[in-house]
Amino acid sequence: QTVVTQEPSFSVSPGGTVTLTCGLSSGSVSPRFYPSWYQQTPGQAPRTLIYNTNTRSSGVPDRFSGSILGNKAALSITGAQAEDDSDYYCVLYMGGGIWVFGGGTKLTVL
Amino acid sequence: QVQLVESGGGVVQPGGSLRLACAGSGFTFRSYGMHWVRQAPGKGLEWAAFIRYDEENKYYVDSVKGRFTISRDNSKSTLYLQMNSLRAEDTAVYYCVKDGTEYGDYEDYYYMDVWGKGTTVTVSS
Repeated sequence: QTVVTQEPSFSVSPGGTVTLTCGLSSGSVSPRFYPSWYQQTPGQAPRTLIYNTNTRSSGVPDRFSGSILGNKAALSITGAQAEDDSDYYCVLYMGGGIWVFGGGTKLTVL
Repeated sequence: QVQLVESGGGVVQPGGSLRLACAGSGFTFRSYGMHWVRQAPGKGLEWAAFIRYDEENKYYVDSVKGRFTISRDNSKSTLYLQMNSLRAEDTAVYYCVKDGTEYGDYEDYYYMDVWGKGTTVTVSS
């Protein structure tokens, strides 16, 4: 059973930088998993931020960036703003038509 | 503007059935794969099912295999999810999601692109 791991929670000060990660319970995340990232505020549908490790979706501010850091995928927010206070989910493509979400990270901007 | 509108949610008893629908507009529906993603109350997102643009391949998370069927009618730009033998743990908001890769694209990036607002399914006696 593949488990995609994320930090349950994180906090950042307004204007600060934060990096959220996305790992595997067994093994390393690499670009072949096509990591993508989604933002969700309470009561709203998710919004696509990043796909293919580091490609920003249309309309996403450039303070959001994706990368591979060590053995994990990473989402960085540089210059965090109050409206970035949200839940963030990563997804890995496992092959064979199967996608797996991480458990999500609740980011608090305060 | 790409739009996805889900319908068909409601309250159903355990063991019952429900059929969700998702109407797509603002894009060439028949050229894109489509996903269903669900979210139980207070929980995270869970990918549930995917169907290729031409319905040739369908994939499911293990927990719904044999109970849920994803399908599409490209002539109506509509995606469906037939849910049978429903259980309490199927209670969730169900999102219809457009895949990010168009048929004919040079490369597939395996991601979810545009999301609907969701429809709520409650399984309870």
